[in-house]
Amino acid sequence: SQQGEEDPQALSIQEGENATMNCSYKTSINNLQWYRQNSGRGLVHLILIRSNEREKHSGRLRVTLDTSKKSSSLLITASRAADTASYFCATAPNAGGTSYGKLTFGQGTILTVHP
Amino acid sequence: DADVTQTPRNRITKTGKRIMLECSQTKGHDRMYWYRQDPGLGLRLIYYSFDVKDINKGEISDGYSVSRQAQAKFSLSLESAIPNQTALYFCATSDPTGWNEQFFGPGTRLTVL
Repeated sequence: SQQGEEDPQALSIQEGENATMNCSYKTSINNLQWYRQNSGRGLVHLILIRSNEREKHSGRLRVTLDTSKKSSSLLITASRAADTASYFCATAPNAGGTSYGKLTFGQGTILTVHP
Repeated sequence: DADVTQTPRNRITKTGKRIMLECSQTKGHDRMYWYRQDPGLGLRLIYYSFDVKDINKGEISDGYSVSRQAQAKFSLSLESAIPNQTALYFCATSDPTGWNEQFFGPGTRLTVL
């Protein structure tokens, strides 16, 4: 199975509500990143959290990381219709070994925000 | 202007044809990647290159080949396209001095009939 698994697969909310997406992974990481993809377009980097960090904020985004549980969550506060997109987590492994320098992506959460 | 460009953006081809997808970047990054995305799935890594002389297979390299012509250019070829290679293909770059944040092109939608 994939390194990053996301939950839920799809989320539908009303504008103004908060959206929470979760990501679990299996192996130790250097950092975890969240990306956004509008329908059929390229992914855009949103936020990165390093393995020694527990929480990070960027505008309306809040990311948490629990390395003991190998999980992360992305919270989007006061959602807008323009936040409608797919959101992916991606893990970067620790330095060394054949996986270094690569990201492993989860399957994504499809977020729909209704006006 | 876009930092990572891909050509063509859309391509329809027939089984058995040779196809080349091209990627160019102006970010000055050494690392480049090719991914494919299928409906409902995340991105899967096909090939990656950490510099012009370094080419590595990803998790799904069978049926694909790549060429790193210059730091700025990384091409993906399907030697003999088959229908299950119908997918959205993305090129990405990253800076080895950073935290491996990746920058994506707009994608190429490939349909193999």
